[in-house]
Amino acid sequence: SQTIHQWPATLVQPVGSPLSLECTVEGTSNPNLYWYRQAAGRGLQLLFYSVGIGQISSEVPQNLSASRPQDRQFILSSKKLLLSDSGFYLCAWSPGQGSNEQYFGPGTRLTVT
Amino acid sequence: AQTVTQSQPEMSVQEAETVTLSCTYDTSESDYYLFWYKQPPSRQMILVIRQEAYKQQNATENRFSVNFQKAAKSFSLKISDSQLGDAAMYFCAYTDSNYQLIWGAGTKLIIKP
Repeated sequence: SQTIHQWPATLVQPVGSPLSLECTVEGTSNPNLYWYRQAAGRGLQLLFYSVGIGQISSEVPQNLSASRPQDRQFILSSKKLLLSDSGFYLCAWSPGQGSNEQYFGPGTRLTVT
Repeated sequence: AQTVTQSQPEMSVQEAETVTLSCTYDTSESDYYLFWYKQPPSRQMILVIRQEAYKQQNATENRFSVNFQKAAKSFSLKISDSQLGDAAMYFCAYTDSNYQLIWGAGTKLIIKP
């Protein structure tokens, strides 16, 4: 069966520091991968998605970037965090075909101080 | 542009009773998928149920069922025999051949013991 991992679970970082959040998927190959951000009590905002290694599409201009160095690894990064980057970050994968339902990781709670 | 609307920011139901959450969407596509996701306080996003637009039969998963009205572009979720563990945010989502999910704003479901 497929599983998706995210780490760290929580992170507190000062403004201006770098960021690296990692997401890995097991039990499937060539998945579509997604990064979302969710503010408290709000819906999901799609940040990036990837249909293959090295293929990244950005949905929202920001100081964040994403990379997919391996088929089942998706990384969210920033060189300098802003206060507005605080939030709950969710990684998801989908089969990329058929109904394409998305399956989510446990999320990372990021607080920028 | 595709949109998903959840008009009920919050709903409450007595334990063991039935509740229906509303969702409408707007699309010009004829082939697409609809989903309901549940996000409990842990904030893990969990797929509850899926509906394929070309299937007239309403999807059912144990106590969860949908009322899919394609002409009206309506996709409501019915939860029967509500349990305390059903308390969560519920998100309606839509996807077409672009493989991206369009999300509603969510409905907070409160279960009264």
